[in-house]
Amino acid sequence: ETGVTQSPTHLIKTRGQQVTLRCSSQSGHNTVSWYQQALGQGPQFIFQYYREEENGRGNFPPRFSGLQFPNYSSELNVNALELDDSALYLCASRLAGEVLETQYFGPGTRLLVL
Amino acid sequence: GDSVTQMEGPVTLSEEAFLTINCTYTATGYPSLFWYVQYPGEGLQLLLKATKADDKGSNKGFEATYRKETTSFHLEKGSVQVSDSAVYFCALSGRSNDYKLSFGAGTTVTVRA
Repeated sequence: ETGVTQSPTHLIKTRGQQVTLRCSSQSGHNTVSWYQQALGQGPQFIFQYYREEENGRGNFPPRFSGLQFPNYSSELNVNALELDDSALYLCASRLAGEVLETQYFGPGTRLLVL
Repeated sequence: GDSVTQMEGPVTLSEEAFLTINCTYTATGYPSLFWYVQYPGEGLQLLLKATKADDKGSNKGFEATYRKETTSFHLEKGSVQVSDSAVYFCALSGRSNDYKLSFGAGTTVTVRA
């Protein structure tokens, strides 16, 4: 039990639609990162938010966007879904300034795009 | 950029067998190295880490040594159990990737009773 929860657990969308995935961080964790894990691959860093602002981004297009809220929850939004967006999406939270070892991952949301 | 290459799976073992999963990395500078484990239906959990050359990380009977000369961080366990069945990911983090985690593709391990 990491204290990080994600919703929904599974989701099916069609190409072109928009999706919002949610993450609830551990209380006090002001930094959240999102990762995309395609089937059979390792997680790929999408972006990181600190105090409600994006402060790091991986090699993902602008249709991937996020929000972070003061209550330690956050969202990942993906517009104009493509088939290749089918993946497990993981969020991870930590306290800024703490080393990465203190980062806790949620169980993920599995997205299928048809 | 920084990257990690790990042994492809799947790996199937009998209980009490010896497990090795190879991991090599490419990085500028001196990254920190990690092994994460993902049990079915769960998120990633940090298994062990090493932050400098010759460091040995260990946890739950697993060990890995940071070898700068061979740029490797192989995971080993002397006697596996059925409960060790999971997907194992090697990862690194360093200044050149802005201290974000870069993961390998993962190795699926199945331990049979």
